[in-house]
Amino acid sequence: AQTVTQSQPEMSVQEAETVTLSCTYDTSESDYYLFWYKQPPSRQMILVIRQEAYKQQNATENRFSVNFQKAAKSFSLKISDSQLGDAAMYFCAYRRNDMRFGAGTRLTVKP
Amino acid sequence: NAGVTQTPKFQVLKTGQSMTLQCAQDMNHNSMYWYRQDPGMGLRLIYYSASEGTTDKGEVPNGYNVSRLNKREFSLRLESAAPSQTSVYFCASKTGTKSNQPQHFGDGTRLSIL
Repeated sequence: AQTVTQSQPEMSVQEAETVTLSCTYDTSESDYYLFWYKQPPSRQMILVIRQEAYKQQNATENRFSVNFQKAAKSFSLKISDSQLGDAAMYFCAYRRNDMRFGAGTRLTVKP
Repeated sequence: NAGVTQTPKFQVLKTGQSMTLQCAQDMNHNSMYWYRQDPGMGLRLIYYSASEGTTDKGEVPNGYNVSRLNKREFSLRLESAAPSQTSVYFCASKTGTKSNQPQHFGDGTRLSIL
């Protein structure tokens, strides 16, 4: 079974600074997909960024980028120029057939 | 666009009562999913429906049943609620079966079993 581990239950960042959220996963597959979802207090799950395992290039979406290390099975999320609206729970997810989520990291943004 | 709509948003049940959580999507998606979210555990898949007329068990199916009523609707039923089923339940959908497509989530149902 695939497992997804987020080792940081909570993280904090100063507004306008950069923060990196960690995610590792366990799989024997070579073809799969990885996602980061954001869950603000409204509880809505919002897709932040996704990465195809067959692509070597790291995905980027504006201020959000990933560091995908396939051999290390690591998929970290970097948030640049952090904004107050970035405060939320962030979930890393792995998908081969069904989706498996990590336990989440609560990000606090300090003004 | 409504996206994925879940009803109700909140519900309190007594142990042993039954309840059906409703989910509807208006995006013409083929696949639909039910998750539960518990503190410190992220989201776990209960059941999913890859297409109309099919349903399959996920990671934690015990104590639940599902019905894919039509392409739009996918309901989750608790026949005899237990306190361990206190959780936040999310419905999600996505188009097709390709793994790179993201799931779209509803706003969740907070269910408490006393």
